[in-house]
Amino acid sequence: DAGITQSPRHKVTETGTPVTLRCHQTENHRYMYWYRQDPGHGLRLIHYSYGVKDTDKGEVSDGYSVSRSKTEDFLLTLESATSSQTSVYFCAISDGAGAGGANVLTFGAGSRLTVL
Amino acid sequence: GDSVTQMEGPVTLSEEAFLTINCTYTATGYPSLFWYVQYPGEGLQLLLKATKADDKGSNKGFEATYRKETTSFHLEKGSVQVSDSAVYFCALRNQGSNYKLTFGKGTLLTVNP
Repeated sequence: DAGITQSPRHKVTETGTPVTLRCHQTENHRYMYWYRQDPGHGLRLIHYSYGVKDTDKGEVSDGYSVSRSKTEDFLLTLESATSSQTSVYFCAISDGAGAGGANVLTFGAGSRLTVL
Repeated sequence: GDSVTQMEGPVTLSEEAFLTINCTYTATGYPSLFWYVQYPGEGLQLLLKATKADDKGSNKGFEATYRKETTSFHLEKGSVQVSDSAVYFCALRNQGSNYKLTFGKGTLLTVNP
């Protein structure tokens, strides 16, 4: 398995509290992504990074911020958690290469967040 | 924008039955197409991929052919096993997208003995 570690794996918090999820990789891949998975919606991109300090928004970025101060770590922060942010969060990485230019994302095991 | 539509689940089959999960896409240009699988309690794993029209991706007995004329990438397997029970996601990656993937909503497959 590619070296991706997400922490914490499970978290329960209360509305209005800040939460930070961490994604750590040992593959030295350039690209990192945060997705959320919800029933009936599949996976939706929150934010992604294409290099250290280089990040951009995905389709559901409201209420989330990210930071990438070094290649191996990509942090997702909920400044003030809401119940609508209860979800399973997946980090993914890619080096952007692959046969024929196809990009292959490798996913972490997920972080289950419950906001009460 | 880019989008992926896959058949609604859940799909329930008996062991050794034939499987088809439909996937169609909307995208400009020439995207690469993927099927990912998620086993219970785990993250997503790449199942197969195709990068250009008429390519056939295959892995573990699963196959999908990139059909540009019908903008489709249907997943098939001739004889499913109980161990194939999982959620299957169709996805695309368009050119110039910083390698982001756009996913369908997923199809839950349950295979009974």
